[in-house]
Amino acid sequence: EAQVTQNPRYLITVTGKKLTVTCSQNMNHEYMSWYRQDPGLGLRQIYYSMNVEVTDKGDVPEGYKVSRKEKRNFPLILESPSPNQTSLYFCASSSDPGANSPLHFGNGTRLTVT
Amino acid sequence: GIQVEQSPPDLILQEGANSTLRCNFSDSVNNLQWFHQNPWGQLINLFYIPSGTKQNGRLSATTVATERYSLLYISSSQTTDSGVYFCAVELANTGNQFYFGTGTSLTVIP
Repeated sequence: EAQVTQNPRYLITVTGKKLTVTCSQNMNHEYMSWYRQDPGLGLRQIYYSMNVEVTDKGDVPEGYKVSRKEKRNFPLILESPSPNQTSLYFCASSSDPGANSPLHFGNGTRLTVT
Repeated sequence: GIQVEQSPPDLILQEGANSTLRCNFSDSVNNLQWFHQNPWGQLINLFYIPSGTKQNGRLSATTVATERYSLLYISSSQTTDSGVYFCAVELANTGNQFYFGTGTSLTVIP
């Protein structure tokens, strides 16, 4: 089944403790991206990647890192999480966002930083 | 700054009613998509529609790129249509960055 898989689904952590949220897609998609969803703000793009070893900042990249060492994986790294990073996070992929190719989303990761 | 505005913010419908959701955007777009976020939080792609009109069952969408808006039509609404509807745009000259509206929350009452 074609899908985008995020792990974990829920995560509670403390301020300053490094964490990684994994994202994997099995559709051989070139494009992958991360978003955070906060009440009243919709989804905001954190980082995106057009291909292996190519990453770019989105609208709200501060406090986050990503890597794209393999085509299928695009982990989101919080080196020193803070309470304002408490949010619902989504990973998405697409074969080519500019060519009639829809974004496919994972099921989300709800992160709480205390 | 870049603006993606959706209206109405909230909508309550009786089952069987029709509705129109609107997405206004502030610049030329390369890409516009509509999504439904169901009550379990899953985001499902409904349409890729940077211009023109598409239909899929009871749903249809129209984007008038020259006037910078898109409409999502839901006909004969069902309780399973409940959730939040988002439009997302990739504006021209912004690379592959996507900007989402704040959504329309739809509740369909039996």
